[in-house]
Amino acid sequence: GQNIDQPTEMTATEGAIVQINCTYQTSGFNGLFWYQQHAGEAPTFLSYNVLDGLEEKGRFSSFLSRSKGYSYLLLKELQMKDSASYLCAAPGGYNKLIFGAGTRLAVHP
Amino acid sequence: DSGVTQTPKHLITATGQRVTLRCSPRSGDLSVYWYQQSLDQGLQFLIQYYNGEERAKGNILERFSAQQFPDLHSELNLSSLELGDSALYFCASSAFAGEENIQYFGAGTRLSVL
Repeated sequence: GQNIDQPTEMTATEGAIVQINCTYQTSGFNGLFWYQQHAGEAPTFLSYNVLDGLEEKGRFSSFLSRSKGYSYLLLKELQMKDSASYLCAAPGGYNKLIFGAGTRLAVHP
Repeated sequence: DSGVTQTPKHLITATGQRVTLRCSPRSGDLSVYWYQQSLDQGLQFLIQYYNGEERAKGNILERFSAQQFPDLHSELNLSSLELGDSALYFCASSAFAGEENIQYFGAGTRLSVL
């Protein structure tokens, strides 16, 4: 079966660092995605990890451990505009991408 | 701008009615996906088309149907609408059909069933 778990909500302070965790169980594995979604808007692609380790892309980094079924998204130098939901997604077999419920991040001054 | 175009942006209709949502994928993308997102819910995968053919099916109700046309645009038809169908409907596209392909999302159609 497929299951993706992420915390429902997180809060952080402007300028700080926050780590959003995601654990997954899928029938097959072909990489793990992170998307950002502002309220009422389209999800936008952030990162795709297929190999273990950390991938850095500006202020955002994503980590994957396939053996542990674990990933995290690291956001540095937080800005107010980073307040959004962050969705973890993993392939669920048969061309389906299974999305987690999302982590709502609130950044405050 | 993702390059995926969805119309209309908003749709208000009554229970029992039928509506059609339209999606144009990014230039060159062959695969189209439809998702439903209810208030405070995650993205629920509905259906995928690749180059005109159905490729994968998720939790799509029998009252819902979709198709992808030769020009690769796609339509999602929702019939016998119920209050619970009120949601954001997103279309996404990717270059090819596999799960490893990055999906790019349109701005969505907000459906309100009254």
